[in-house]
Amino acid sequence: DAGVIQSPRHEVTEMGQEVTLRCKPISGHDYLFWYRQTMMRGLELLIYFNNNVPIDDSGMPEDRFSAKMPNASFSTLKIQPSEPRDSAVYFCASSSPLNTEAFFGQGTRLTVV
Amino acid sequence: AQTVTQSQPEMSVQEAETVTLSCTYDTSESDYYLFWYKQPPSRQMILVIRQEAYKQQNATENRFSVNFQKAAKSFSLKISDSQLGDAAMYFCAYRSPNSNYQLIWGAGTKLIIKP
Repeated sequence: DAGVIQSPRHEVTEMGQEVTLRCKPISGHDYLFWYRQTMMRGLELLIYFNNNVPIDDSGMPEDRFSAKMPNASFSTLKIQPSEPRDSAVYFCASSSPLNTEAFFGQGTRLTVV
Repeated sequence: AQTVTQSQPEMSVQEAETVTLSCTYDTSESDYYLFWYKQPPSRQMILVIRQEAYKQQNATENRFSVNFQKAAKSFSLKISDSQLGDAAMYFCAYRSPNSNYQLIWGAGTKLIIKP
């Protein structure tokens, strides 16, 4: 398996623009997580899905953030409108009941100017 | 609520030497999982080693081993024969079996390898 695939790897956008981050989990994994990593706050769990259903979105910072998982092989994290303080590395991870750990993608480095 | 503490923001070690990274955690649960993840400059989070709390034997993966002290709630990572490629941020993480795979993370330790 190719592992968890995220795109794009880097995104630079202007304040106020919409940003969409994409994730393809490992095939067969039924849990998907979105994390944000910053120097100040470390790794924060934003939202996670089980069988494509959002289970806990309490980590989503504001209504500007939304996430969807239309099918088992694809998820998006959208920020609209983006702000400079959203600049961070965003990770997607997936897991399954057969594994105890989560498998991470390479992350998307978002810069909002 | 569970917490994970990594008290060493940065550690350095001479190449080929041994280094130990510390991690403590707080929980009232008796069964759980502990992990060490490595994040090199490429920023990918890579699983280094895992430990199930019900197992008394310390986990080992090649040059990486843990010292799991359940009563003390301590989970340190020992890296033997350090190599330049070991330079990275190392994160300790906790998972409850009841948490739907949510991980509680430490703040990380930056490991520097001196050639």
